[in-house]
Amino acid sequence: KQEVTQIPAALSVPEGENLVLNCSFTDSAIYNLQWFRQDPGKGLTSLLLIQSSQREQTSGRLNASLDKSSGRSTLYIAASQPGDSATYLCAVSGETSGSRLTFGEGTQLTVNP
Amino acid sequence: NAGVMQNPRHLVRRRGQEARLRCSPMKGHSHVYWYRQLPEEGLKFMVYLQKENIIDESGMPKERFSAEFPKEGPSILRIQQVVRGDSAAYFCASSELPIYGYTFGSGTRLTVV
Repeated sequence: KQEVTQIPAALSVPEGENLVLNCSFTDSAIYNLQWFRQDPGKGLTSLLLIQSSQREQTSGRLNASLDKSSGRSTLYIAASQPGDSATYLCAVSGETSGSRLTFGEGTQLTVNP
Repeated sequence: NAGVMQNPRHLVRRRGQEARLRCSPMKGHSHVYWYRQLPEEGLKFMVYLQKENIIDESGMPKERFSAEFPKEGPSILRIQQVVRGDSAAYFCASSELPIYGYTFGSGTRLTVV
């Protein structure tokens, strides 16, 4: 059974800091990994999708890496802003779970002005 | 493209009533997934449907819950005889093909009083 863990559970940083969010998964037989952002009381916004054959994806100030063999992904946020404050969710789909996503519990990020 | 549309955004039901949640996938997407997010918990998979077929319902409670995705019209998640423990945010996601990633709707927040 696939399990996804995100560390840390919560993070508070001053504006402008670069930060790294971590995601690990127990079954390396994944199809892809997706990072989402969830604002309080809102839905999920897709940030980055990494296929199992890829090592990283970049979008603006965000960079996500994938090390499939070790079961790890990191989300790097450069020059953080107060608007980045949200919960960041990591999710994987893979062979053992069909095409459905297995989510981590999320990292709650607060960027202080 | 309007994205994944869920309605209603908020739904209040008394214990014992029925709740119907609707999801219209993105245009061209034939794969629909329902997830539930209980207060202060992560997202949990409920059911995966393609047009007129339930592919995987392993995450759905055996009683009172049902889902459908008819040939015409939105996908429906139906909860009969709701109880307070059903209070949660219910999210729908769609994909063209799972390898292309998933797009989530804004969710329906069900409150059972």
